[in-house]
Amino acid sequence: GENVEQHPSTLSVQEGDSAVIKCTYSDSASNYFPWYKQELGKGPQLIIDIRSNVGEKKDQRIAVTLNKTAKHFSLHITETQPEDSAVYFCAATPRGGTSYGKLTFGQGTILTVHP
Amino acid sequence: GAGVSQSPSNKVTEKGKDVELRCDPISGHTALYWYRQRLGQGLEFLIYFQGNSAPDKSGLPSDRFSAERTGESVSTLTIQRTQQEDSAVYLCASSYGQGAGYTFGSGTRLTVV
Repeated sequence: GENVEQHPSTLSVQEGDSAVIKCTYSDSASNYFPWYKQELGKGPQLIIDIRSNVGEKKDQRIAVTLNKTAKHFSLHITETQPEDSAVYFCAATPRGGTSYGKLTFGQGTILTVHP
Repeated sequence: GAGVSQSPSNKVTEKGKDVELRCDPISGHTALYWYRQRLGQGLEFLIYFQGNSAPDKSGLPSDRFSAERTGESVSTLTIQRTQQEDSAVYLCASSYGQGAGYTFGSGTRLTVV
């Protein structure tokens, strides 16, 4: 089955700096890669996703890049703000087969943005 | 409703008791998922329902865990003879199809004492 590794486990930045979180996946059949933000006491919320037919996607201060050959994808947050502080999870799911639609999550990154 | 609704939000139960957790997905979402999140940990897949297909139960940790879904609506996750290691947040998510982004509920925090 799919295995997703996420690094770093914790990340501390100053307000205004950039933050980068990286994930690798094992199943070359995976083709959908979402990122979720989880605030304390809440469920994870989808913030951006990318499919394997593109290499980069951007939404305001958030961007995701995908390298299919190396099987890794990254989340980039620019001009970080204190409200970006949360736990971020990456995930992957294959195009088909018995695991189609079932997301495998990374272990999460605790991002702290200091004012 | 506008989002995925889970109830109860918190549940404290004695070891050995059975508990039932409920999930109301977004209307029209054919796929429904249950995940478990232990304190400070990632999301552990439990079970997945897609339309009328047989559910994918490959993540259920033991035969004490079971789940049902009525058509494309409400799902219940049942844990029998609860153990302290069952303490976690149980998250439900739904999506409008396979390969689509999930919408999560706020979870049920289960504490077994």
